[in-house]
Amino acid sequence: AQSVTQLGSHVSVSEGALVLLRCNYSSSVPPYLFWYVQYPNQGLQLLLKYTTGATLVKGINGFEAEFKKSETSFHLTKPSAHMSDAAEYFCAVSDRVNTGFQKLVFGTGTRLLVSP
Amino acid sequence: DVKVTQSSRYLVKRTGEKVFLECVQDMDHENMFWYRQDPGLGLRLIYFSYDVKMKEKGDIPEGYSVSREKKERFSLILESASTNQTSMYLCASRLGTGIPGELFFGEGSRLTVL
Repeated sequence: AQSVTQLGSHVSVSEGALVLLRCNYSSSVPPYLFWYVQYPNQGLQLLLKYTTGATLVKGINGFEAEFKKSETSFHLTKPSAHMSDAAEYFCAVSDRVNTGFQKLVFGTGTRLLVSP
Repeated sequence: DVKVTQSSRYLVKRTGEKVFLECVQDMDHENMFWYRQDPGLGLRLIYFSYDVKMKEKGDIPEGYSVSREKKERFSLILESASTNQTSMYLCASRLGTGIPGELFFGEGSRLTVL
């Protein structure tokens, strides 16, 4: 079964610093990959997704992620953190199948803390 | 904009009570989902529905049931609430075909069982 591992339940950065949130998946066949963000007291919203094509994916709010097949990774980055980026971030994976229902499996989440 | 609305943001129930969590989406999505979110465990899938009157168990269906009588509405039912069902419950929906599309989430229902 698909699984996804997020390293670090909490990541702290200073405003203006690089943000790096790690995600590794377990699959011999590259799956579909997603990052979702959850702001306090809200549901999740999609940041970006990788399905096919270019391995560097750009999302909303200046975030991007790079699919690296050799490392089975899909790490999320942002060059310069802003206070408003403080939230919980979830990596998710879905099997690459052409038929049937594709279930999304979520990681355990990483809480990003941004200090002034 | 797609909107997924969960009827209650906060509920407090007693052990043994029957609990209904309602979810409505307004974008004619085929697929709907119920997740529970617990610290350190991420989101775990309880039940999902391909389409009207269709339902499938997710990873943790024990103690829950669901109902989907209309396309826009997906209800989660706790027949006899227990304290270990205290959690945040998230409903989501998406289009049903092709490359997995974006999941649209409601704001969540925080349930406390005393």
